Amino acid sequence: DQQVKQNSPSLSVQEGRISILNCDYTNSMFDYFLWYKKYPAEGPTFLISISSIKDKNEDGRFTVFLNKSAKHLSLHIVPSQPGDSAVYFCAASARTGANNLFFGTGTRLTVIP
Amino acid sequence: NAGVTQTPKFRILKIGQSMTLQCTQDMNHNYMYWYRQDPGMGLKLIYYSVGAGITDKGEVPNGYNVSRSTTEDFPLRLELAAPSQTSVYFCASKYGNSRNQPQHFGDGTRLSIL
Repeated sequence: DQQVKQNSPSLSVQEGRISILNCDYTNSMFDYFLWYKKYPAEGPTFLISISSIKDKNEDGRFTVFLNKSAKHLSLHIVPSQPGDSAVYFCAASARTGANNLFFGTGTRLTVIP
Repeated sequence: NAGVTQTPKFRILKIGQSMTLQCTQDMNHNYMYWYRQDPGMGLKLIYYSVGAGITDKGEVPNGYNVSRSTTEDFPLRLELAAPSQTSVYFCASKYGNSRNQPQHFGDGTRLSIL
């Protein structure tokens, strides 16, 4: 049962425009969310995170928004750059046990020059 | 600074063979993890360890074993390889239980069982 869902397998955006990647979750115990970025033949690298006590977290060109009532979060990248082309994974954890992560299936972002 | 190192990068196994996927980290992280990623799917946790001598099952532990005799190393063992274990395997580590500390991943081992 996929507890974290990324319903868009792929997204194409023009360079300089905004990229919006979406993520939904079903487990109401999740209270910490992360986005990872993955290039081919490499491991995922941490991008940005947000705790459920916030509804927004910003780091440079990257902003994550959290809507707890809708169990939805989104990653905004502004402006998008060709180097942002990668697969983006959403992940979530609950404050239980070892705080293990549950990952979504990923969205492949292509930024067109 | 090497970070998380996984070996080998690629391997082809025959059904029924066994092998060990190696993972080592040089960041003195106490938490370590093994994930598998099947095509078009997210990463699923196989096993994790919160410190030397301590391991526990994740979502998909069947067919795998782990050990953690040192802080640095966390090998993953496949005893009887099956086609369903064809996947990309990622090892990760992090410092402590704080969720502000993200997991750091290796570059993966691509394993095919034929």
